[in-house]
Amino acid sequence: AQSVSQHNHHVILSEAASLELGCNYSYGGTVNLFWYVQYPGQHLQLLLKYFSGDPLVKGIKGFEAEFIKSKFSFNLRKPSVQWSDTAEYFCAVKTGANNLFFGTGTRLTVIP
Amino acid sequence: AAGVIQSPRHLIKEKRETATLKCYPIPRHDTVYWYQQGPGQDPQFLISFYEKMQSDKGSIPDRFSAQQFSDYHSELNMSSLELGDSALYFCASNTKYHRDAPGYTFGSGTRLTVV
Repeated sequence: AQSVSQHNHHVILSEAASLELGCNYSYGGTVNLFWYVQYPGQHLQLLLKYFSGDPLVKGIKGFEAEFIKSKFSFNLRKPSVQWSDTAEYFCAVKTGANNLFFGTGTRLTVIP
Repeated sequence: AAGVIQSPRHLIKEKRETATLKCYPIPRHDTVYWYQQGPGQDPQFLISFYEKMQSDKGSIPDRFSAQQFSDYHSELNMSSLELGDSALYFCASNTKYHRDAPGYTFGSGTRLTVV
């Protein structure tokens, strides 16, 4: 069965620190990969997505993610976080059946 | 730009009551997905529809049913509500006819509280 693992459940950083959130998936076929962000009290918003091509994907708000096929990973990064980045971050994988499988999410708290 | 519209935004029901959640996809999107996100949990796929037909089924309880109508909006019907049904219910839409990179657009969700 497909699964998505996010090993960091809660990350606390100071402003301007660098961020890397891990995401690993288990599926042997072709996948599409997504990172979604959920700000407190809001709905899921797409940060970035990977379908093919350059494995380094740039998204909104300075976020980027790198797809490493050999490691089944799609880690999210940001060089310098801001207080406004405090949110829950979900990694998601779409397989051939066209449904999204979400990771358990990582809560990011940025301290001013 | 038009987004995915969900109604109502908030709903409070008592145990054993019924609830109906509505989702209006982005115009020309023919596929609708329903997700349930319990408190502190990740979104779980419930069910999806393509061209008014159920296309896939996830962890949707038998007490729930859903359908997609001719105008592509979808309704999630929930009966015999239980306290554990309290959650945020997301709807997402896309179209299978995107030749480039189809993405998912989520609605803002309906927060259901069962008391």
